[in-house]
Amino acid sequence: SQTIHQWPATLVQPVGSPLSLECTVEGTSNPNLYWYRQAAGRGLQLLFYSVGIGQISSEVPQNLSASRPQDRQFILSSKKLLLSDSGFYLCAWGQGASSGANVLTFGAGSRLTVL
Amino acid sequence: KNEVEQSPQNLTAQEGEFITINCSYSVGISALHWLQQHPGGGIVSLFMLSSGKKKHGRLIATINIQEKHSSLHITASHPRDSAVYICAGQNSGNTPLVFGKGTRLSVIA
Repeated sequence: SQTIHQWPATLVQPVGSPLSLECTVEGTSNPNLYWYRQAAGRGLQLLFYSVGIGQISSEVPQNLSASRPQDRQFILSSKKLLLSDSGFYLCAWGQGASSGANVLTFGAGSRLTVL
Repeated sequence: KNEVEQSPQNLTAQEGEFITINCSYSVGISALHWLQQHPGGGIVSLFMLSSGKKKHGRLIATINIQEKHSSLHITASHPRDSAVYICAGQNSGNTPLVFGKGTRLSVIA
């Protein structure tokens, strides 16, 4: 069966420090991978998605970047965190399909507080 | 631009009540997802549907393609149903979801 792992679960970082959130998927190959953010009191916002190794699409210009060094690994990074980067970050995967839409499975989330 | 609108934003119900959450979407969306976000933040996928109706336990999701509208129903609601319910549209398998803003449901015993 497929599983998704996301870590760390909780992170408190000072402004200006770097960030690395990691997400890995097991039990499938060539998944579509997504990073979402949910700021306090707001809905889910797509940050990045990837349909293959090295292929990253950015939805919102910001202080963050994403990389996909391996098929089932998706990393969210920042060189210098801002206060506005605080939020709940969710990784998700879906099976890329030419046949149509597919169910997404979400990781447990990473709660980032920037002080 | 694909858009998804959800209503109501907040909903409080007594235990046992029948609950309906609505979602309207724009053209370009071929599938509709219903997600549940628990107080701790974790999200689970409840349904994905492109037509008709799906049922799982006390949850029922319907979609009307012509009217571009979907509803999530909860029968015999229970306090453990308290969560944020999110509607999301998807154009195709390789495109990301477009999310509604969520409906915060509180079921009171």
